[in-house]
Amino acid sequence: KQEVTQIPAALSVPEGENLVLNCSFTDSAIYNLQWFRQDPGKGLTSLLLIQSSQREQTSGRLNASLDKSSGRSTLYIAASQPGDSATYLCAVLRSSGSRLTFGEGTQLTVNP
Amino acid sequence: ETGVTQSPTHLIKTRGQQVTLRCSSQSGHNTVSWYQQALGQGPQFIFQYYREEENGRGNFPPRFSGLQFPNYSSELNVNALELDDSALYLCASSPPRTGSYNKQVFGPGTRLTVL
Repeated sequence: KQEVTQIPAALSVPEGENLVLNCSFTDSAIYNLQWFRQDPGKGLTSLLLIQSSQREQTSGRLNASLDKSSGRSTLYIAASQPGDSATYLCAVLRSSGSRLTFGEGTQLTVNP
Repeated sequence: ETGVTQSPTHLIKTRGQQVTLRCSSQSGHNTVSWYQQALGQGPQFIFQYYREEENGRGNFPPRFSGLQFPNYSSELNVNALELDDSALYLCASSPPRTGSYNKQVFGPGTRLTVL
């Protein structure tokens, strides 16, 4: 059974700091991995999707890496801003068309 | 391109009642998945519908049931509501399973409160 863990559970940083969020998964046989952002009480916004054959994806100030063999992914946020404050969730897809398995998220607060 | 929509936005029910939540998939998507997200936790997979048939189910009791319609929209029904059913219910649609790209797009969710 796939299990996804995110560390830390919560993180508070000053504006401008670079930060790393961690995600680990127990079964390396994944199809892809997604990072999502969730604002309080809202739905999920997809940030980055990494296919199992890829090592990283970048979008603006965000960079996600994937090391399938070790069961780890990191989300790097450069020059953090107060608007980045949200919960960040990672999720793995076991095979095409199957279910996503989510971690419990990292709650990020960026202080002005 | 219309994204995934869900209705209603919020709902309050009492224990023992029944509820129906609705989801319209994104244009071009034929698969719908439902997730339950309790407060402070990650979403948990309930079930998925593909071509109007249930295609995979998580660890949820039979009182959670669903439908998919020919236009790929979907309903989630929950009977005999319990207090622990209070959660954000998320619907996600995904495109036909061609090629190597499979991305689920999420709706805004329905917040269900059971009193």
